[in-house]
Amino acid sequence: DAGVIQSPRHEVTEMGQEVTLRCKPISGHDYLFWYRQTMMRGLELLIYFNNNVPIDDSGMPEDRFSAKMPNASFSTLKIQPSEPRDSAVYFCASSSGGQETQYFGPGTRLLVL
Amino acid sequence: QKEVEQDPGPLSVPEGAIVSLNCTYSNSAFQYFMWYRQYSRKGPELLMYTYSSGNKEDGRFTAQVDKSSKYISLFIRDSQPSDSATYLCAISRSNDYKLSFGAGTTVTVRA
Repeated sequence: DAGVIQSPRHEVTEMGQEVTLRCKPISGHDYLFWYRQTMMRGLELLIYFNNNVPIDDSGMPEDRFSAKMPNASFSTLKIQPSEPRDSAVYFCASSSGGQETQYFGPGTRLLVL
Repeated sequence: QKEVEQDPGPLSVPEGAIVSLNCTYSNSAFQYFMWYRQYSRKGPELLMYTYSSGNKEDGRFTAQVDKSSKYISLFIRDSQPSDSATYLCAISRSNDYKLSFGAGTTVTVRA
């Protein structure tokens, strides 16, 4: 299996622009997680889905952030409008049902200027 | 107060030494304990997980949980330069897929 796939791997954008991050989970996994990692705050869960349905979005920082999972093999995290403080590494992870066994993707490094 | 506290280090040890990493947590409701390893510019990868107090071994790695003290540890025996990475502890409640991560401890094993 190819593992969790994320795109783009790097994104540089200007403040106010819309940013869309993409994730393809491991085939057969029914849980999908979006995390953000910064030096200041560490690794934080933003939102997670089960069978394409958002279960907990309490970690989403603001209304500027939104996430969707239109099908079992694709999810997006959108930031509109982006701000410099959104600069971070965003990880997607998936799981087949064991809460302890989440498999992480390589991450998207976002820099908002 | 953060749900889980972890000393960020950094920690530098010579090859062959035992590496000892620790985390403390604040709520006894946490029942699942995990250690992830993260190499530079990569995603975290699961090393070990456990549900109960006591020790769990996997090769050179031992995870230890003391629920009474709310204290978890990871020991790496015979450390190798390839063990150089950031190690993150993570905890979760039973039937809750939300993981709370420690800050991560950066370890360097010197050849």
